[in-house]
Amino acid sequence: GAVVSQHPSWVICKSGTSVKIECRSLDFQATTMFWYRQFPKQSLMLMATSNEGSKATYEQGVEKDKFLINHASLTLSTLTVTSAHPEDSSFYICSAGPLAGVAYEQYFGPGTRLTVT
Amino acid sequence: AQTVTQSQPEMSVQEAETVTLSCTYDTSENNYYLFWYKQPPSRQMILVIRQEAYKQQNATENRFSVNFQKAAKSFSLKISDSQLGDTAMYFCASDSGGSNYKLTFGKGTLLTVNP
Repeated sequence: GAVVSQHPSWVICKSGTSVKIECRSLDFQATTMFWYRQFPKQSLMLMATSNEGSKATYEQGVEKDKFLINHASLTLSTLTVTSAHPEDSSFYICSAGPLAGVAYEQYFGPGTRLTVT
Repeated sequence: AQTVTQSQPEMSVQEAETVTLSCTYDTSENNYYLFWYKQPPSRQMILVIRQEAYKQQNATENRFSVNFQKAAKSFSLKISDSQLGDTAMYFCASDSGGSNYKLTFGKGTLLTVNP
């Protein structure tokens, strides 16, 4: 149980276009989801906290107009990279949880590799 | 702000031997969780072990155990009987306490298990 999926797993887009990444909790309801960014051989950096039915909370330095987050249901959060540029190329990971009544843990998706050409 | 420090960028160990990965953290919270995550080449984050700060007993999960020193804010991971499949990046992380569950990650330690 507690599976999180991401779609797509790998996307290539042209500079100036927008791309949407989906994060789904497959077997549980997630009121909170998190979006991370990971550059090669580096750690995970939290971008934003996504709460169902409300606006996302962005970390300092993250452009909220560039990285649009929508958490419209208890099983789906989306990250849209608007007007993407090559410097936005990265590995994006989402997580969900914790589950109420379960030992505290976030469950991570498999990640999405974004390449902007 | 919370900080998590992993001072060993890379480590290697021979198969079947024991290795310890270091982690220190800084937090002003009283109640918090500490984690070790594994990220293999597939890049899927996998929880290895979790420690609740209010519990004095060190957490163990099969071949994985921690040495949690709360006063020193130290949280090391010991891997016993290392296996080739343990080769991965290992990240130490702490949550921010309270109810927002945000995780702060260290920079990671690349562990290579040699045959």
